[in-house]
Amino acid sequence: DIQMTQSPSSLSASVGDRVTITCRTSRSIGLYLNWYQQKSGKAPQLLIFGASNLQSGVPSRFSGSGSGTHFSLTISSLQPEDFATYHCQQSYNTLFTFGQGTRLEIK
Amino acid sequence: QVQLVQSGAEVKMPGASVRVSCKVPGHTLSELSRHWVRQAPGKGLEWMGRIDPEDGETVYAQNFQGRLRLTEDTSTDTFYMDLSSLNSDDTAMYYCVTGVVRQFVALDYWGQGTLVTVSS
Repeated sequence: DIQMTQSPSSLSASVGDRVTITCRTSRSIGLYLNWYQQKSGKAPQLLIFGASNLQSGVPSRFSGSGSGTHFSLTISSLQPEDFATYHCQQSYNTLFTFGQGTRLEIK
Repeated sequence: QVQLVQSGAEVKMPGASVRVSCKVPGHTLSELSRHWVRQAPGKGLEWMGRIDPEDGETVYAQNFQGRLRLTEDTSTDTFYMDLSSLNSDDTAMYYCVTGVVRQFVALDYWGQGTLVTVSS
């Protein structure tokens, strides 16, 4: 299986801040990296697919970048509704795997 | 938008099996990849397996080999997850998920989740 490592595991930030979450993979996956947002008690929602493609309806303050083994999710200006847990996931290998999640909290 | 409707919460004894269903009204299952993902309390997401849209073949995560069976009934646009030999580590929220067929496969649409509790 491809191992996924997100950092940080948790992050405190303020409304208006720019934040970046990273995801590293145990081997190269090209652009086959997706990001999800999960709010407390809810199902995850797809934010970004193919490393940098914004899912329909997702605000443009979210962006994704990277390739190979190093990827990033950036929120350009945090809004109150962005405080949630973020998960990366690879679809390069036939057996999908997730990162451990990054919890974004209000400072 | 694709809506997924899951069956209700389950409480099972250790050693038992559980079936969770996922209905996708108004959509043809064969046009979507169909996945199951679970999340234990306070933990991350764990991909369990999928049914491929191209050929209906099933793919299972290694952690579930031999215990997990994914099936579907195209006449009712419903797919199913059967997990056997349950133990306390299987207590989790189970999500059905569908993926749009594209180059970069992703988990596009999620059900509301079904809580499975394994307890004696």
